[in-house]
Amino acid sequence: GAGVSQSPRYKVAKRGQDVALRCDPISGHVSLFWYQQALGQGPEFLTYFQNEAQLDKSGLPSDRFFAERPEGSVSTLKIQRTQQEDSAVYLCASSPREGDYGYTFGSGTRLTVV
Amino acid sequence: KNQVEQSPQSLIILEGKNCTLQCNYTVSPFSNLRWYKQDTGRGPVSLTIMTFSENTKSNGRYTATLDADTKQSSLHITASQLSDSASYICVVSLFNNNDMRFGAGTRLTVKP
Repeated sequence: GAGVSQSPRYKVAKRGQDVALRCDPISGHVSLFWYQQALGQGPEFLTYFQNEAQLDKSGLPSDRFFAERPEGSVSTLKIQRTQQEDSAVYLCASSPREGDYGYTFGSGTRLTVV
Repeated sequence: KNQVEQSPQSLIILEGKNCTLQCNYTVSPFSNLRWYKQDTGRGPVSLTIMTFSENTKSNGRYTATLDADTKQSSLHITASQLSDSASYICVVSLFNNNDMRFGAGTRLTVKP
């Protein structure tokens, strides 16, 4: 596609529910990133993939957060047993290759945990 | 502590006026600095990118400056338009380029 596509755009989850957020990067982009953006804040790094390899997951806040990119294209961010502090916008970004400046962001998924 | 600090937190200006947004960073080792525009409900969109050896970069009505010695950057917007209303985020990358540190952004509102 022309850009990075994320789905769903909005997700409301009850506390304790599991959620899965999807990211379709630009076709052929090697690098893929997930960020968490709280209201009024800049994005915070969660995890980074180069193709199917998860090279950095140091930003994942707890073991309830899990990300995968099994075929090196679509990525899924899964949050288990959601809590209210997980409420945020989850942004995905991709770039053509490692270290490339041309990062493109998706519009994000707004997660609200009630 | 956030390694990228932006000011002001919010700014309201009249259409047609100029404004300057500030970014101070402590990120090291530094590779490049970008300014992004983020409309409400959208992902950030890149405006400019500068390496440590560049002092200024323009993109239409947007001009970014960088002083790598003082670790300061500014984004100057000239002849503001209503469509400039958005958050402007300063992003500093470490040497590996895959480690980006985001500021909290400046919320700009342009009024007619």
